[in-house]
Amino acid sequence: DIHMTQSPSSLSASVGDRVTITCRASQSISSYLNWYQQKSGKAPKLLIYAASSLQSGVPSRFSGSGSGTDFTLTISSLQPEDFATFYCQQSYSSPYTFGQGTKLEIK
Amino acid sequence: EVQLVESGGGLVQPGGSLRLSCAASGFTFSGYWMYWVRQAPGKGLVWVSRIKSDGSSTGYADSVKGRFTISRDNAKNTLYLQMNSLRAEDTAVYYCVRETKYCMDVWGKGTTVTVSS
Repeated sequence: DIHMTQSPSSLSASVGDRVTITCRASQSISSYLNWYQQKSGKAPKLLIYAASSLQSGVPSRFSGSGSGTDFTLTISSLQPEDFATFYCQQSYSSPYTFGQGTKLEIK
Repeated sequence: EVQLVESGGGLVQPGGSLRLSCAASGFTFSGYWMYWVRQAPGKGLVWVSRIKSDGSSTGYADSVKGRFTISRDNAKNTLYLQMNSLRAEDTAVYYCVRETKYCMDVWGKGTTVTVSS
C-alpha cells in the first residue's frame, strides 16, 4: 500500500496568513493526488484534484502543486471559513489511501 | 442537485450484520464508479471499498475483505454495503462517495455505525 504522510499534523494561523501543507507519498504517484477539506461534523469536500486542478466552486486562494512523491496545498490568504482539517489522498493505486490529516486552527 | 443520501446505520453487537444504502440523485448514477469511505470517531478518513459503474469490478481494504460486500442497483440508483462479522473497530461514520477523474467529488452526509455490546 502507498503511505501518505502530511505535515504538519496541526497548524495555528491567523486570518490573512499564507499557509502551506505538505503531503509526501511513499512511492511515486505521478499527479494522482487530491486534497479535501473537512469541517467539524461535516462530510469532506474536494478542493484540488490531479495535484493542481481547482475543483469548481472552490475559491482561487486554494492552490496545489507537486508531482511524484511531494505535494503541497497552499492557501494564499486565510479566511475565517478556512479553518478545518485537510486531507491528501492518492488515487494512483488501490487502496486509495489518505494522509492522516492536518488540523488548521485559529491563532 | 447532485446528492447522495446514506441510510442503514445503527447500533449492532459484535459479530452482527448491517446493510448500508446510498440513494443517488441528480446525476446518471450508472455512469460513475462509487466508493465507501469511513471515519472512526476522532480519526482520519479510510477508503473501504469501490465498485465499477456497471458493478462488474469491486475492491476492498484489507481490513474489511471477506466481511464486507459492495454492490449497486443502477435501476434504483442505489449503492449498498453489506457488512458482516462486525467488530468494534468498524465503528465509524460511513460515507458514500462518487468518483470522477480519479477523485472523490461528491460525498454524502454519512451514516453512523456503532458496534458495541
